[in-house]
Amino acid sequence: DAGVTQSPTHLIKTRGQQVTLRCSPKSGHDTVSWYQQALGQGPQFIFQYYEEEERQRGNFPDRFSGHQFPNYSSELNVNALLLGDSALYLCASSFSHGTLYSYEQYFGPGTRLTVT
Amino acid sequence: DQQVKQNSPSLSVQEGRISILNCDYTNSMFDYFLWYKKYPAEGPTFLISISSIKDKNEDGRFTVFLNKSAKHLSLHIVPSQPGDSAVYFCAASVRGSTLGRLYFGRGTQLTVWP
Repeated sequence: DAGVTQSPTHLIKTRGQQVTLRCSPKSGHDTVSWYQQALGQGPQFIFQYYEEEERQRGNFPDRFSGHQFPNYSSELNVNALLLGDSALYLCASSFSHGTLYSYEQYFGPGTRLTVT
Repeated sequence: DQQVKQNSPSLSVQEGRISILNCDYTNSMFDYFLWYKKYPAEGPTFLISISSIKDKNEDGRFTVFLNKSAKHLSLHIVPSQPGDSAVYFCAASVRGSTLGRLYFGRGTQLTVWP
């Protein structure tokens, strides 16, 4: 049973560029959440997708956007990259099925983004 | 605003002894709490959780205690093993309103030495 997978593993971008990160959830899961983990910090919630819609959002600017596909996989897009966007980006999956949702989220290995 | 706090960035324990990792929270709406373990180059792995209707939950060597009045929880690992060396994150959630969104502390690096 494949767990949560993310690609790419590492990425180096220049300020002002745009980046797309990808995530495939654990089998049987329909909800994807994205977190940003800066060095020395805990993961910070960016947003969550369910039924191909953004269901809730953390305190991140509109430069951060996402998408969920019919197969439940998801993308995180960041525009106009800043040096401060350098971080580990984690994808987590869970299941919702309406109001019956789990709280134990399963995380992928993350994508390490470096902005120079 | 850090709503979940882990005030000890590191903890060093001898193999076989008890490890106690602490976590405090400020949001009284939190009613579900989780501990995650993270090894380098891997994502966080779910370890154990507790609902606010309980004050203790046990799973093998791991026990989580919740003190709601103090807004404090702790993770006990007994006995500690070298393989337990990792960063441990405390996380909290509000059932029903935030749809599983997790609020994390900054983590505690646990080192278990032989």
